[in-house]
Amino acid sequence: QKEVEQDPGPLSVPEGAIVSLNCTYSNSAFQYFMWYRQYSRKGPELLMYTYSSGNKEDGRFTAQVDKSSKYISLFIRDSQPSDSATYLCAMSRGGGANSKLTFGKGITLSVRP
Amino acid sequence: KAGVTQTPRYLIKTRGQQVTLSCSPISGHRSVSWYQQTPGQGLQFLFEYFSETQRNKGNFPGRFSGRQFSNSRSEMNVSTLELGDSALYLCASSSGPGNQPQHFGDGTRLSIL
Repeated sequence: QKEVEQDPGPLSVPEGAIVSLNCTYSNSAFQYFMWYRQYSRKGPELLMYTYSSGNKEDGRFTAQVDKSSKYISLFIRDSQPSDSATYLCAMSRGGGANSKLTFGKGITLSVRP
Repeated sequence: KAGVTQTPRYLIKTRGQQVTLSCSPISGHRSVSWYQQTPGQGLQFLFEYFSETQRNKGNFPGRFSGRQFSNSRSEMNVSTLELGDSALYLCASSSGPGNQPQHFGDGTRLSIL
């Protein structure tokens, strides 16, 4: 079993839809949770960063972490064609030698005008 | 504030050669991590450097090595290149070891012929 599992997609939605992206993980030691967005021929861009459980909102984006279920989600409201990209979840145990990020495989989102 | 800068953006090499990739972190960031991204395996952690010392290493053969300079700039070297080394190599920086989040550059696309 992979440490981090992410729905493989691809996902296609109409403009204005609410998008829900999810990841599950097996390592209960993970404490830091991130969502990155990657456009073609570019590096991953940090979208959301959460420590431990809870919700975090930034504009049209909401990140949720449920450590008891080992489940994280990213919600995108009023999706736009410019949101079309690959979305990667990432997590880390944090601290010293535990800083490496473990990523999901990513899901490609297409928002149709 | 300038982001993470990676050079070169593209490289074409042949099997058996060696290659050196360069990364300049965000100003003030002292920790640099390297990742390999391939369609099959996704993003995988290579190693992390802080204060010119390797702090953490992923599961890659010894052909993959790196170093960090006193100004926090980092280089990654791959010797005896194999076809399977074709990938996008990404550098990420953070303010310190174990600190999150990490911010990525746009990567070096390495193609092995």
